[in-house]
Amino acid sequence: DAGVTQSPTHLIKTRGQQVTLRCSPISGHKSVSWYQQVLGQGPQFIFQYYEKEERGRGNFPDRFSARQFPNYSSELNVNALLLGDSALYLCASSLSGGPSVTEAFFGQGTRLTVV
Amino acid sequence: AQSVTQPDIHITVSEGASLELRCNYSYGATPYLFWYVQSPGQGLQLLLKYFSGDTLVQGIKGFEAEFKRSQSSFNLRKPSVHWSDAAEYFCAVAPGYNNNDMRFGAGTRLTVKP
Repeated sequence: DAGVTQSPTHLIKTRGQQVTLRCSPISGHKSVSWYQQVLGQGPQFIFQYYEKEERGRGNFPDRFSARQFPNYSSELNVNALLLGDSALYLCASSLSGGPSVTEAFFGQGTRLTVV
Repeated sequence: AQSVTQPDIHITVSEGASLELRCNYSYGATPYLFWYVQSPGQGLQLLLKYFSGDTLVQGIKGFEAEFKRSQSSFNLRKPSVHWSDAAEYFCAVAPGYNNNDMRFGAGTRLTVKP
């Protein structure tokens, strides 16, 4: 079975541009979460979506937005890119996002460089 | 708000030596605790997790961790380190109702000497 897949693996953008990152969860998983990992730091929680609804949001500006599609894949959008948005963006999927606790599986990440 | 502190930024051990990585958490209720490992340029792999029950949990690759509520700690241990264990290790805490909203520590980088 395929794991969590993210695309693209790397990309370079210019300040002020917009970027869309994509994530396909493991088959059967209905919850997707997004994390930002700046070099030398631990991942920071951005969003969680479950059954196409936002279930949680971290401390990120409104320039960051996300959505989940009927097939449970997800997109993370970042507008008006800043140099500080350069990071590894990780997607994690799990069976549920509700009261039951299930393991979260991470993708390999998308390395975003803003120049 | 929950938070995690990993006091050691970088640890070096000799191959075959024992290992302990420290993790302290702050959370108002019973936390769900995790240890993840990340190799360079890779995503995160779950080593082990604690939800409830026995405070000593076994994970993959020979790792174990002990939950100590009185010390707010969840330290990771391995009796004999292998060169392939060199990586970045992250401790994380999540609220009991949603394990996807995880808060991670800053990580501990492990170097293994031959």
